[in-house]
Parts: sequence; structure tokens; C-alpha cells
Amino acid sequence: SQLAEENSWALSVHEGESVTVNCSYKTSITALQWYRQKSGKGPAQLILIRSNERENRNGRLRATLDTSSQSSSLSITATRCEDTAVYFCATDGSLLSGSFNKLTFGAGTRLAVCP
Amino acid sequence: EAAVTQSPRNKVAVTGGKVTLSCNQTNNHNNMYWYRQDTGHGLRLIHYSYGAGSTEKGDIPDGYKASRPSQENFSLILELATPSQTSVYFCASGDYRASPNSGNTLYFGEGSRLIVV
Repeated sequence: SQLAEENSWALSVHEGESVTVNCSYKTSITALQWYRQKSGKGPAQLILIRSNERENRNGRLRATLDTSSQSSSLSITATRCEDTAVYFCATDGSLLSGSFNKLTFGAGTRLAVCP
Repeated sequence: EAAVTQSPRNKVAVTGGKVTLSCNQTNNHNNMYWYRQDTGHGLRLIHYSYGAGSTEKGDIPDGYKASRPSQENFSLILELATPSQTSVYFCASGDYRASPNSGNTLYFGEGSRLIVV
């Protein structure tokens, strides 16, 4: 089983609506990241939230973290067609180790936003 | 300008043949990674490196070797390719120590699609 996994395989919304992607994880973390991957491209980081934070925002994006339930969410408001992509959560232990970067990715949630 | 460049972008190989996937980064990051991406599995770590001359096994290293001859270059080698290694491979670079407040941000290439027949 994966150490990090998104709770939905696929979501579909209409442009302008809000959507939330959820993630659960099974390991002790120091941070959790959200990445977006558009078709034919490599993943790109959207937002990072540290274990001592409850929420982090970046424009239309809002990430939350609940370490007691080992879960995170990524919300996108006022969605656009270009938000169509696969969204991954990734657990980050590097702050704990202090030496090495190793992210563990979930399987991803496919989000479709188009009329 | 792309900071992580992979080659080839597409490759068809025969079973039992040798395949080398190359990655070059201009981010001056110490750490580099090779992941593979398959439907239903997300991104799985094959090998990684935290500097020239070093390679480490990731979560699924069997059937793969890696080489890091310089800060900029990191190769993934399939000595005897098998159909189960058909996948999309992503290279990434990152360096927590370069920017601790940014956490462990990885910068990915655009992927190499490998088909083994």
C-alpha cells in the first residue's frame, strides 16, 4: 500500500466551480506537498504545507493539513479549463532527516474542468 | 528555459536490449532522482543521487542501474530491458539545503516514454 494516497481517482467540475482533492498518508511527515501534472508534462509543485501549519494558500489554491487524522486537502476556487490535470500529494521527510530529499507520491486524482 | 532535460523523449526497445535514459539539470542541485509513472501507481522512486559519484536505491530498484558522473548529469540504465519496464520515466532535481524554507521541492523533466517489445 502507498504511504500517501489521494482519496478520489477522478473528479469533474464545471468551470467556475470550486473543487477539493483529498489525501491521506500513513507515515510521520515534516511537510506535505501538492503537485500538478498536465498532460504530457512533468509534475510541478503547487504548494507545500509544513507539519506545524494548518493551512497554506497560493492564489486560488488552499491546502490544509490535519496531522492527527493524517490527511490533507487541496481546494481550488473559481476553476478554469487549464486546471485540468492530475493532482498528486507527496509526503516529505527531509526536514526531519536534515540531509536528503525523498518524496513519496500518491497515485493522483484526475481533475477535469471543462464545459 | 527548461532546467531539467531528459533524452530521449520516446524510445522503443527490444526485450533483452540495453537502454540508457539521460537527464541533465542546470539548477545546480545536489540531488537527482529517477521515478517511473504507471497508471494506478503514481510516481515510484527507482534510484536517486545526492552528488556526483553517488547513487542510491529507491523503492523499486530491481532491473535498473544509475550513474551520476557529474553534478549536472544522471542516467538510468536498463541492462536487459523487459516488457514490464514499459513506462514513462521522470527525472527530477532538488536540494533542500539550497533553500530550507522551500522544503523538498522537486523540479521535474518532461518525461521519457519507453516501450519494450
